[in-house]
Amino acid sequence: GQQLNQSPQSMFIQEGEDVSMNCTSSSIFNTWLWYKQDPGEGPVLLIALYKAGELTSNGRLTAQFGITRKDSFLNISASIPSDVGIYFCAGNFPNSNYQLIWGAGTKLIIKP
Amino acid sequence: SAVISQKPSRDICQRGTSLTIQCQVDSQVTMMFWYRQQPGQSLTLIATANQGSEATYESGFVIDKFPISRPNLTFSTLTVSNMSPEDSSIYLCSVDTGGVYEQYFGPGTRLTVT
Repeated sequence: GQQLNQSPQSMFIQEGEDVSMNCTSSSIFNTWLWYKQDPGEGPVLLIALYKAGELTSNGRLTAQFGITRKDSFLNISASIPSDVGIYFCAGNFPNSNYQLIWGAGTKLIIKP
Repeated sequence: SAVISQKPSRDICQRGTSLTIQCQVDSQVTMMFWYRQQPGQSLTLIATANQGSEATYESGFVIDKFPISRPNLTFSTLTVSNMSPEDSSIYLCSVDTGGVYEQYFGPGTRLTVT
């Protein structure tokens, strides 16, 4: 079946640092979505991407839909303590009937 | 987007019993989804529940174990039947509000089976 490879699995960073994470697929995707999940909560949609090459920002977050349609990255600039959480990429591939394929998640931890 | 609530938020249940989880949306939506998430893991789709049709289950999930109801465009339930400790997990419902592949999630139901 379809799979997404998300990396890194976890990141330990200092407050103020920039963060980058990415997802790759073996197949082309029509849509890339990035979510953040805090403990005890459901995932929250951060950014949605619909076109190859699309670059979209949401505050300090920037995400891009790879030109090959098989990858996407998410950058967070100048990280702050509330950025801690698990970030998931998700994608929708052709003929998937609105179902999403999910990455394994990137856990972001800020060093004290 | 949509505002989604789930009940209960958490429960501790005895093995062999069943629990019904409710999902309520503040607007009418066609597509609703039920997921399971083990602690620290990614999301696994259980089934897609569209109003007016039978739920569509993913491989590894069966209707007898996870019956789903979708009586209208704002509400759905998922029942976890004949529970075992392996069913301990977080159960999430989500909705696709406009057919644009963006899913919005409820806060989840944390289930512990003893």
